[in-house]
Amino acid sequence: NAGVTQTPKFRILKIGQSMTLQCTQDMNHNYMYWYRQDPGMGLKLIYYSVGAGITDKGEVPNGYNVSRSTTEDFPLRLELAAPSQTSVYFCASSYSSTGANRANYGYTFGSGTRLTVV
Amino acid sequence: GIQVEQSPPDLILQEGANSTLRCNFSDSVNNLQWFHQNPWGQLINLFYIPSGTKQNGRLSATTVATERYSLLYISSSQTTDSGVYFCAVARNQGGKLIFGQGTELSVKP
Repeated sequence: NAGVTQTPKFRILKIGQSMTLQCTQDMNHNYMYWYRQDPGMGLKLIYYSVGAGITDKGEVPNGYNVSRSTTEDFPLRLELAAPSQTSVYFCASSYSSTGANRANYGYTFGSGTRLTVV
Repeated sequence: GIQVEQSPPDLILQEGANSTLRCNFSDSVNNLQWFHQNPWGQLINLFYIPSGTKQNGRLSATTVATERYSLLYISSSQTTDSGVYFCAVARNQGGKLIFGQGTELSVKP
């Protein structure tokens, strides 16, 4: 049981380049998220997904795209990298039950991708 | 949107001391979680605590939802407790957490 796996761990991009950050979870969690963390700051939500085929914007979605074709995978795409996207990116997953006693369990983070755009 | 404020921003302790970290939030929430980010950047979920009190070893947390705050208690601190503690909240229980700025804790031997 690997939990949430992110690749790559480090990457340097030139301005205008594109890349995809990969995220896979093996816990059968229905919710998945992408956050970015700037130095000395908390985490800001970029995009999230409540299940395969469903995605929605978070607080800071501009410059990013996501897809969720399977329960396990939630890749984050940067189309035209800019210096403002230099950050540490975290993928996370959780299980949200349904019904009257809904709760959000098992919030699990990947180890992060440190991205530098130069 | 919901504002989350954590205090203090920084805290330095001697090993063995106790501490209380506070999280204030600006609106009603149905989801509140505490996380620890260790010095290597790994984020670990400590508590899911939208209300009430929970304990896990030397750590405990209390959320008073009606007064919009939560407290994280660390007793008999150890150097391995060092790192940043984040409080995160959501209006509904289904995720989309909003994070505070964190409290950076340094425990000295």
